[in-house]
Formats: sequence, C-alpha cells, structure tokens
Amino acid sequence: ETGVTQTPRHLVMGMTNKKSLKCEQHLGHNAMYWYKQSAKKPLELMFVYNFKEQTENNSVPSRFSPECPNSSHLFLHLHTLQPEDSALYLCASSGRLAAYVEQFFGPGTRLTVL
Amino acid sequence: AQSVTQPDIHITVSEGASLELRCNYSYGATPYLFWYVQSPGQGLQLLLKYFSGDTLVQGIKGFEAEFKRSQSSFNLRKPSVHWSDAAEYFCAVVNNAGNMLTFGGGTRLMVKP
Repeated sequence: ETGVTQTPRHLVMGMTNKKSLKCEQHLGHNAMYWYKQSAKKPLELMFVYNFKEQTENNSVPSRFSPECPNSSHLFLHLHTLQPEDSALYLCASSGRLAAYVEQFFGPGTRLTVL
Repeated sequence: AQSVTQPDIHITVSEGASLELRCNYSYGATPYLFWYVQSPGQGLQLLLKYFSGDTLVQGIKGFEAEFKRSQSSFNLRKPSVHWSDAAEYFCAVVNNAGNMLTFGGGTRLMVKP
C-alpha cells in the first residue's frame, strides 16, 4: 500500500449503530487530519493530530470520537449519528503540522446514515 | 475571518480549449494559497501553491495560477484541457492562525469531447 488508505470505502449505518472509520498513511508523516465533505458545504476540518496528540477539534459534536494510536493510524468512531452526518469523510496526512505544508488525502469513506 | 469564494459551481469546456477557474479570497496579510483537484472517487491532490515571490506559479499536469493582490484573486489556468482534467477543483487559503486550511466550495469541471 502507498499513500493514504481509508477503510471502508462505503458505509451505511442506522442512527443507533456504532461504527469506526480507519485511516492509514504509509508516508512517514507526523500529522493527520479528518475532514468532512458534504454536498452543501465546503470541505470542513474536523480534527488534527500531531505525533498522536490531538491539536485541533473544530467544534465537532461528541458523537464523533477520534483516536490516533500512532502516527500512521487514525480512527473516527461513530455513534448515534444523525442523517445530516451523511457525507464523505476524508483523511489526510502531512510531513509536519503546519497549514502551509502539503497535505496528502485518502480516497474517503462515503457514509450514509439512515 | 479569512474566506475563499469560487464563483463558478460548474464549468464545461471542450477538450483542447483553454481553462480558467476563478478563486477570490479574503485575508488581511499575504496569504498562503493552494489549488487542489479531486478526481471522481479519489481524495484531493495538490496542484500548486503560492506563498510569496513570483506571482505566477506553475503546478503539476500543466496547470498554473496567478496571484493578484489588487483583485484578491488566485485563478487557475490551463492552456489546453484534456478529458482527464474532468474533476472538482478546490481553492484554499491558510487561516489567520496558520493552523488550518479554509477551502472554497469547489468548481466541478466537465470536458466535452
């Protein structure tokens, strides 16, 4: 595997389910990001991790819970989601934590909440 | 607060024609500006970026962009579009705190044969 991978690519869940999204980067980067891309809003940053420590939480509801066990892996745990949470969730990584450093994106997980 | 506007939601051009995608930003100081492309089913890929210096920047895949401070614009151009350029294009600016990117709403490019 190369670059940034995300699994699953598609996920359908009910509002009472608990599921997790996984992201893995094979680039040796230290910073990782979760973004939400929905049809009606610009790309929104959700969380930032640097060397496994969370540095940004962009006012994300607590039904989204990130986890970063090491610099290569990032998870997004989902529970009691709402239909408006349906979106494409993108993971990204960068060599270091600075907004002007190029970010490398995964293909995303298309989430549908019923 | 900084913001990015991409006025055109959809653009259709013929293959071989020239392309210009518009991006306007709102930012007090000299901005850090980016163009990313998202092909169907893929994540975003960086095309080019501007930090300072020469206002005309070259990117990958034959794209270039010009920073115009007087117009608060950073428009993306390509002299001859290929069918494989059909994708969604995002302009982005680093926020005031320097810790995250603010993205525009995107422009979806369609290429006619």
